[in-house]
Amino acid sequence: RKEVEQDPGPFNVPEGATVAFNCTYSNSASQSFFWYRQDCRKEPKLLMSVYSSGNEDGRFTAQLNRASQYISLLIRDSKLSDSATYLCVVHQTGANNLFFGTGTRLTVIP
Amino acid sequence: DAEITQSPRHKITETGRQVTLACHQTWNHNNMFWYRQDLGHGLRLIHYSYGVQDTNKGEVSDGYSVSRSNTEDLPLTLESAASSQTSVYFCASSGGISNQPQHFGDGTRLSIL
Repeated sequence: RKEVEQDPGPFNVPEGATVAFNCTYSNSASQSFFWYRQDCRKEPKLLMSVYSSGNEDGRFTAQLNRASQYISLLIRDSKLSDSATYLCVVHQTGANNLFFGTGTRLTVIP
Repeated sequence: DAEITQSPRHKITETGRQVTLACHQTWNHNNMFWYRQDLGHGLRLIHYSYGVQDTNKGEVSDGYSVSRSNTEDLPLTLESAASSQTSVYFCASSGGISNQPQHFGDGTRLSIL
């Protein structure tokens, strides 16, 4: 079983739509969680960390559900520039690295 | 501004050749990482280092080696390149403890024929 699993998509949504991605992780000892964004043929870039109480950054909201071991990312009022692949990333207590999901591809359509 | 740079950006080589990919960061980060990214697999950790003279194997370390002689550099060497090592390679660094977000280089596209 993979450490981190995501729906690969693609998600095709119109401009202005709200879209949500979910991600599940297998190890209950995981402690730190992140969403990264990766544009086509580019490097991953940190979008936001995910905190236990949930957190918001502009149009982006991240939630963590430890009981069900999933993380979500909500994007409101989608922009064309939001088109990218979104990577769910998990760090496990005692492990020495981050585990990356395979990513969810989002295309925002005019 | 601090940054992390990889070179070359693209490389084509033949099976059996030794290849070295460079990674240089000016963040003064202790932690450095090498990943490969392939379709359907996401990012997979090859090797990582928590400081000078420290190196560790990741999930897919076979056929690769790294060395850390200073804080800024973590070169990745393919001892005898194989076609299965055709991939996009990313170097990353982070400061502080190991669960901090990582900053990535632009990537190196390596093709082994």
